[in-house]
Amino acid sequence: QKEVEQNSGPLSVPEGAIASLNCTYSDRVSQSFFWYRQYSGKSPELIMSIYSNGDKEDGRFTAQLNKASQYVSLLIRDSQPSDSATYLCAVYRHTGGSYIPTFGRGTSLIVHP
Amino acid sequence: DTEVTQTPKHLVMGMTNKKSLKCEQHMGHRAMYWYKQKAKKPPELMFVYSYEKLSINESVPSRFSPECPNSSLLNLHLHALQPEDSALYLCASSQGAREVYGYTFGSGTRLTVV
Repeated sequence: QKEVEQNSGPLSVPEGAIASLNCTYSDRVSQSFFWYRQYSGKSPELIMSIYSNGDKEDGRFTAQLNKASQYVSLLIRDSQPSDSATYLCAVYRHTGGSYIPTFGRGTSLIVHP
Repeated sequence: DTEVTQTPKHLVMGMTNKKSLKCEQHMGHRAMYWYKQKAKKPPELMFVYSYEKLSINESVPSRFSPECPNSSLLNLHLHALQPEDSALYLCASSQGAREVYGYTFGSGTRLTVV
C-alpha cells in the first residue's frame, strides 16, 4: 500500500466550478498535511497546510482533514484556468529526528473556459 | 522570483563527466533539501541538511554527493551518472526540520545524462 495516494486524474472542471482534490494516507501517526501546486515544468509551491480535523480556509482554497478516515482534501472555489496544474499532497512524519514529508504523485487539474 | 536559487537551470552531461548543482537561500532557514523528480512522479528525497547535520536517503547512489559549505548553501556533486538519472533536481529549504514547516522550492535543474 502506497503511503500517500492521490488520483492522478486529470480532473477536468469548468471555469467557476468547485474543484475537489483528494488524498489518503496510510500512516495513522501522521499529524501534518500540506498541499503544493506544481505547474508543468516548474517547481512545487506551497498552497496551505492543515493540522486539525475539520476545514481550513484561505481565500479560494479550503483544506479538509479527517484523521479517523485518514483523508485530506483540497477544494478550490471559483476555479480559474490559471489553477490548471498538478496538486501534490504532502504528509509529514517524524523520522530520524526530523519531520519529513512524503509526497503523493499528484492530481492533474484542468480548468477549461 | 523564488527565494531559493538553483544553478544551472539546465544541464546536459555525459556519463563520464563531473558536474555540480548549486543551491542557495537567504531566508535564514535552518534546513535544506535535495529532491529528485521524474516526470509524472512525486519528488523523492535525496538529502537533508538540518542544524549542521547531513542526513542521507540510503537508497541514493554514491554517484550523488552533497556538500554544505555553510548554512545557506547546499551543493550536489554529480559523478559517473547514468541516463536513468535524468530528472528535475529540486532544492528546497524550510525554517527547520525538527518541527513541521512548509518548503520553499527552487526553480529546479533539469538534468539530462547522455
